Amino acid sequence: ETGVTQSPTHLIKTRGQQVTLRCSSQSGHNTVSWYQQALGQGPQFIFQYYREEENGRGNFPPRFSGLQFPNYSSELNVNALELDDSALYLCASSFHGVNTGELFFGEGSRLTVL
Amino acid sequence: KQEVTQIPAALSVPEGENLVLNCSFTDSAIYNLQWFRQDPGKGLTSLLLIQSSQREQTSGRLNASLDKSSGRSTLYIAASQPGDSATYLCAVKLDGNKLVFGAGTILRVKS
Repeated sequence: ETGVTQSPTHLIKTRGQQVTLRCSSQSGHNTVSWYQQALGQGPQFIFQYYREEENGRGNFPPRFSGLQFPNYSSELNVNALELDDSALYLCASSFHGVNTGELFFGEGSRLTVL
Repeated sequence: KQEVTQIPAALSVPEGENLVLNCSFTDSAIYNLQWFRQDPGKGLTSLLLIQSSQREQTSGRLNASLDKSSGRSTLYIAASQPGDSATYLCAVKLDGNKLVFGAGTILRVKS
């Protein structure tokens, strides 16, 4: 059973650029969620994808967008990067419809915006 | 709006000591509560999951309790070791598979 994998692990961008982060869900899971964790804070829910559609969104602007592919992997795209977007971006996978289920997280992608 | 608070924000203890980390949440309408461990710059490792109908869960030296009606959970670590040094996060699960996290407790176990 493979776990949640994310890429890249680290990246540096400049303000105004765009970034794409990638996530492969754990084997058997069909739902992917994305979280943003700023330094010294707990992760904040960005959005969730199920059946290739957004299925729940936190308090993040539209320049944060995503995709889910038929194999359940997912991308997080952030346009017009701002300095405050510097954070650890975490992906979690789970099984849709099981509210009592557990979420499993990847190692994260560390984004630095200069 | 659900809010999760963790106390203390940081804790330093000598090796071998038993310790308790606290987590409180404002809305009891949760499906479950998860405790995670996070090493510096790393992802989240799930430690314990307590369903809303359960009172406690145990794994090795870890024991987590849940009192949903009062909005509280505790993580008890027995016989702490330097390798337990990390940030511990609690999170409650809401409808739609969404987790709401606390800010974490930074634990340092001194040898």
